[in-house]
Amino acid sequence: DAKTTQPPSMDCAEGRAANLPCNHSTISGNEYVYWYRQIHSQGPQYIIHGLKNNETNEMASLIITEDRKSSTLILPHATLRDTAVYYCIVGGTSYGKLTFGQGTILTVHP
Amino acid sequence: DADVTQTPRNRITKTGKRIMLECSQTKGHDRMYWYRQDPGLGLRLIYYSFDVKDINKGEISDGYSVSRQAQAKFSLSLESAIPNQTALYFCATSDSGQDIVNTQYFGPGTRLTVL
Repeated sequence: DAKTTQPPSMDCAEGRAANLPCNHSTISGNEYVYWYRQIHSQGPQYIIHGLKNNETNEMASLIITEDRKSSTLILPHATLRDTAVYYCIVGGTSYGKLTFGQGTILTVHP
Repeated sequence: DADVTQTPRNRITKTGKRIMLECSQTKGHDRMYWYRQDPGLGLRLIYYSFDVKDINKGEISDGYSVSRQAQAKFSLSLESAIPNQTALYFCATSDSGQDIVNTQYFGPGTRLTVL
């Protein structure tokens, strides 16, 4: 599975959009991009995934560049409850395994 | 009720003791996983099971064993606990019937302390 690079931490004001970047320059053609988050020692929570096209659900939007070497998770209106560690994971469907890196600590402040 | 439950939620034990962590799910998923998380680190895969008769080692299986008693139950055992197994343990499930098998659903975690 391709490795990912994320900034260790980011800040965001409550009510503003949080844009979390992820680099995955070695991603292969059949690998998906997944985003999970973990709120203070709770179990990780699935957010969104994508292959080539941009995706949106009730939680977030995922923007994947045309060359697929990077992506951005967008939380459109961040709240204090969005403070968490956000993991960008790249992988295929063959084994169903997830490889968690260090993630980005997002802090949403009032 | 939670879809993925773990028992116990917290456990303190002594070196050399045998410990079992249990995971149950009501999601009807066929795949189950055990991860551990150390402070400040990401999750690491211990074991995974794609169905009742299929058990596979993950990246850090030494010192652990598992049992898939039924589709809904997956237990993790520490035969002889040691202090460096102190960690937060998570169970997860996924559905191979979906086109995206990496969408995993996690339990609340078990905090294990080995003295």
